[in-house]
Amino acid sequence: AQKVTQAQTEISVVEKEDVTLDCVYETRDTTYYLFWYKQPPSGELVFLIRRNSFDEQNEISGRYSWNFQKSTSSFNFTITASQVVDSAVYFCALSEPPGGTSYGKLTFGQGTILTVHP
Amino acid sequence: DAGVIQSPRHEVTEMGQEVTLRCKPISGHNSLFWYRQTMMRGLELLIYFNNNVPIDDSGMPEDRFSAKMPNASFSTLKIQPSEPRDSAVYFCASSSRQGLGTEAFFGQGTRLTVV
Repeated sequence: AQKVTQAQTEISVVEKEDVTLDCVYETRDTTYYLFWYKQPPSGELVFLIRRNSFDEQNEISGRYSWNFQKSTSSFNFTITASQVVDSAVYFCALSEPPGGTSYGKLTFGQGTILTVHP
Repeated sequence: DAGVIQSPRHEVTEMGQEVTLRCKPISGHNSLFWYRQTMMRGLELLIYFNNNVPIDDSGMPEDRFSAKMPNASFSTLKIQPSEPRDSAVYFCASSSRQGLGTEAFFGQGTRLTVV
């Protein structure tokens, strides 16, 4: 069975601080996909990034960066120089491998509530 | 593209009433998912369609819940009869199985309150 754990329930920072959101996953599959979604106060779920299990290169997109380490089953998300607009709930998710009938199903972590204070 | 469209955005109903939630996936996407979000259980998958066919409904909580996808551009999730514990935000998402590793795009959700 798949499982995603986001140990940090809530994080509070002051604007311009860097913040890292942790994500640890469990799966028996050798091929899988990892995702981060953002849920702002308005409630919608916004896709941020997808990472393939066979690509361990870190990725940077503006102030966002992701550190994928297969050896520790972690996929951590860092926001550099946080802003008030980054305040949201962030979800890490895991999907089954392509090719199977259940490909595309997402197993979500419990989410981390990030509050950025001015 | 307009994205995944869900209706209604909010629904308040009395216990015992039938509730129907609607979803229009992104055009061209052939996978559709219904998720439920609650404080206690977080985001959980209810049912998953591929090419309009239900593939996995193991997450549907009980027989009061049913979902249909009569065509590629429309799906419904019905609860009959509704109960207060069904109160949650219900999300519809769609993705494309073309290629590898395509992400799911979510609608804005339907906030259901059963009183």
